[in-house]
Amino acid sequence: ETGVTQSPTHLIKTRGQQVTLRCSSQSGHNTVSWYQQALGQGPQFIFQYYREEENGRGNFPPRFSGLQFPNYSSELNVNALELDDSALYLCASSRTRNSPLHFGNGTRLTVT
Amino acid sequence: KNEVEQSPQNLTAQEGEFITINCSYSVGISALHWLQQHPGGGIVSLFMLSSGKKKHGRLIATINIQEKHSSLHITASHPRDSAVYICAVSRARDSNYQLIWGAGTKLIIKP
Repeated sequence: ETGVTQSPTHLIKTRGQQVTLRCSSQSGHNTVSWYQQALGQGPQFIFQYYREEENGRGNFPPRFSGLQFPNYSSELNVNALELDDSALYLCASSRTRNSPLHFGNGTRLTVT
Repeated sequence: KNEVEQSPQNLTAQEGEFITINCSYSVGISALHWLQQHPGGGIVSLFMLSSGKKKHGRLIATINIQEKHSSLHITASHPRDSAVYICAVSRARDSNYQLIWGAGTKLIIKP
């Protein structure tokens, strides 16, 4: 199995801009979730996708949106960036909704 | 009170020591996860368990459902084990993604 890869690894954006983060899941993994981890804190669940449909959402505003594609890749889009959006963004995939999770190394987003 | 509590918050030990990290939770769960996060940021899933005990190499994870408690043990610790160890649970009604995360235990193993 190939691992979960995220791109880019680091990104700097300006407040008000939009950003797209990408995640390539392992083959056969139908579910993907995204997490936000602020410095020194634990990850916060943003949302999960199952077979290209959003299937659960944490306490994040609508300007956080996502897509999942048939080729097991997915995107996290954030509009109208705010300074507090600076964080490590992690994606995790699994074969089913209740299988062990496989995490990517994350994208570190800095909003200035 | 947090739904998932870990102890200790920080742990420094000498190479070769036996390490125990504890996790207590207060909600009904379908599974408990132990994860490892290195300074670079990536998270590795070590164990997912809902009962009993699992072993992988020098790592052992146990869970007591009645007491709502889990432990992660590292035998013959090594400096490369230095990382943050996180306990997370998925509530009984949720899928594995909607995890409740502990605050993590920062482990440093000195040579």
